[in-house]
Amino acid sequence: DIQMTQSPSSLSASVGDRVTITCRASQGIRNDLGWYQQKPGKAPKRLIYVASSLQSGVPSRFSGSGSGTEFTLTVSSLQPEDFATYYCLQHNSYPYSFGQGTKLEIK
Amino acid sequence: QVQLVQSGAEVKKPGASVKVSCKASGYTFTGYYMHWVRQAPGQGLEWMGIINPIGGSTNYAPKFQGRVTMTRDTSTSTVYMELSSLRSEDTAVYYCVRTRGAYDSLEDYWGQGTLVTVSS
Repeated sequence: DIQMTQSPSSLSASVGDRVTITCRASQGIRNDLGWYQQKPGKAPKRLIYVASSLQSGVPSRFSGSGSGTEFTLTVSSLQPEDFATYYCLQHNSYPYSFGQGTKLEIK
Repeated sequence: QVQLVQSGAEVKKPGASVKVSCKASGYTFTGYYMHWVRQAPGQGLEWMGIINPIGGSTNYAPKFQGRVTMTRDTSTSTVYMELSSLRSEDTAVYYCVRTRGAYDSLEDYWGQGTLVTVSS
């Protein structure tokens, strides 16, 4: 099974800050990785697919990069609505696996 | 529009089974795979498995193998997830979510979630 190690587990930042979240896969997964945002009581929302493609309707301040075993999600200028929990998901092989999540909080 | 509508909240005793349904509409049911993902209170997301609506073949996460059964009814465009031998750790919100292909990223169409509470 592929393990996804996501860091940091929590992050405190201010509106306008640039933040980066990282996911590392225990083995190569090509670009079979998505990033999701989840707000309390809601289903996750996909932000990025195949590592770097922006989901339709998602603001361009979100971007993804990486391939193989190391991936990043960057938010270029945090907005109030971006404070949420973020997860990566590998879909290269079964069982799919999520990172542990990063809770992004307002400083 | 695409909709995945799940059955309502359940309260079960330890050792019992629960069967959650997910009714799809707004698209060709047999054109998309369906996954189940769960989230325990205050915890992260956990992938449980996938079902192919054509033929009903499944792939389950090893953690749930032997306890989970995913089925579908093409006549009603509904998939089901049954989890047996419930324990308190199975208390979670269970989501269905579709993908176009067997190894695709989970899309933006998720069910609303079904809270299953396991308590004596």
